[in-house]
Amino acid sequence: QVQLQESGPGLVKPSETLSLTCAVSGYSITSGYYWGWIRQPPGKGLEWIGTIYHSGSTSYNPSLKSRVTISIDTSNNQFSLKLTSVTAADTAVYFCARRYFDSSGYYPDAFDVWGQGTMVTVSS
Amino acid sequence: QSALTQPASVSGSPGQSITISCTGTSSDVGGYNYVSWYQLHPGKAPKFMIYDVSKRPSGVSNRFSGSKSGNTASLTISGLQAEDEADYYCSSYTSSSTLVFGGGTKLTVL
Repeated sequence: QVQLQESGPGLVKPSETLSLTCAVSGYSITSGYYWGWIRQPPGKGLEWIGTIYHSGSTSYNPSLKSRVTISIDTSNNQFSLKLTSVTAADTAVYFCARRYFDSSGYYPDAFDVWGQGTMVTVSS
Repeated sequence: QSALTQPASVSGSPGQSITISCTGTSSDVGGYNYVSWYQLHPGKAPKFMIYDVSKRPSGVSNRFSGSKSGNTASLTISGLQAEDEADYYCSSYTSSSTLVFGGGTKLTVL
């Protein structure tokens, strides 16, 4: 059974870089699937941040693209999120997730396995 | 890209049916059959409920169903149960090859 677990600092200072890791267990990340990051600011809705394919190709939310990097760490079976120049608006619960693979042989635009999320606060 | 529009809250009594709407534009909901729905309980990992407008992943109760008409997708929960009380979010693929979520709907089971 695939499980995802986010980790990283819970407090980041304004203008610094937010760095989170998603550890994947029960599956080798290099074997397939797309992997993504989604966040939820307090009291607000979900926001897609970006997705990475197991090969390393990425797609990002245009509103965050200039500040976001998602990468895969094959040696540790995990993938990571870096968000630069953070402000209070980046305060949120950050989720990592796996994109669903339909048995018919395609990837719908949906995430089927999620981590529990990690709260990141941007404050001095 | 603007968030999809969902009602802030809906409610229903046990056994009843409720419907949550998700309104977008022709560039997202209306343009593609790629709408998904998620159930969020506080402090828990989101649960994947519906994809491609109306398909249910294995293990999801058939009390949950999805549909779409024009730029509005809907999630219907029949035979409402106490454990259905949660926040529900829709998402859609967009013409920019990105993903956009709705603002979320709080379901209260009376």
